[in-house]
Amino acid sequence: DAGVTQSPTHLIKTRGQQVTLRCSPKSGHDTVSWYQQALGQGPQFIFQYYEEEERQRGNFPDRFSGHQFPNYSSELNVNALLLGDSALYLCASSLQGPTEAFFGQGTRLTVV
Amino acid sequence: AQSVTQLDSQVPVFEEAPVELRCNYSSSVSVYLFWYVQYPNQGLQLLLKYLSGSTLVKGINGFEAEFNKSQTSFHLRKPSVHISDTAEYFCAVSFMNRDDKIIFGKGTRLHILP
Repeated sequence: DAGVTQSPTHLIKTRGQQVTLRCSPKSGHDTVSWYQQALGQGPQFIFQYYEEEERQRGNFPDRFSGHQFPNYSSELNVNALLLGDSALYLCASSLQGPTEAFFGQGTRLTVV
Repeated sequence: AQSVTQLDSQVPVFEEAPVELRCNYSSSVSVYLFWYVQYPNQGLQLLLKYLSGSTLVKGINGFEAEFNKSQTSFHLRKPSVHISDTAEYFCAVSFMNRDDKIIFGKGTRLHILP
């Protein structure tokens, strides 16, 4: 089992550009959540997808959007990038209900 | 408001000494509790979790934590640390209201001294 895989591992973008990050969940998991971890901070919840729908959302602007595909993989899109969007973006997969979330290695996004 | 507080941003401890990393939470509903570890340039790995039952939870790498409902705490302990335990540790909660998102603390950096 490959666990949760994210791509790419590193990315450099310019302010104003758009970016797409990808996540493949652990085998058998149906729920994908995305988190933003700024340097020196704990991860902050962005949103969660289940059955291809956004179930809940954290306190992030509409520039952050996502998608879940029928195979449960997911994308995170960020439009009009700001310097403050530089962070480690973590994807977590889980099953519905109070089970543990498994995290990927993350995508390090640098906005210049 | 629901929140997680890790009282120490950094904890230095000598190798083979015991350590406790403190975590308190605030919630109006019952919670599930987790400790995650993050090694440099890595994602998060689950150390242990409390869902129900015994309040003393044992995890990987010799770590354990105790859930104290009256004090709303979930402190992490290890009786003897090793240099390989150098990492960032995050306390986290999710809430028993069908809301599966996880709220993380700001993390505690465990620094092992030789």
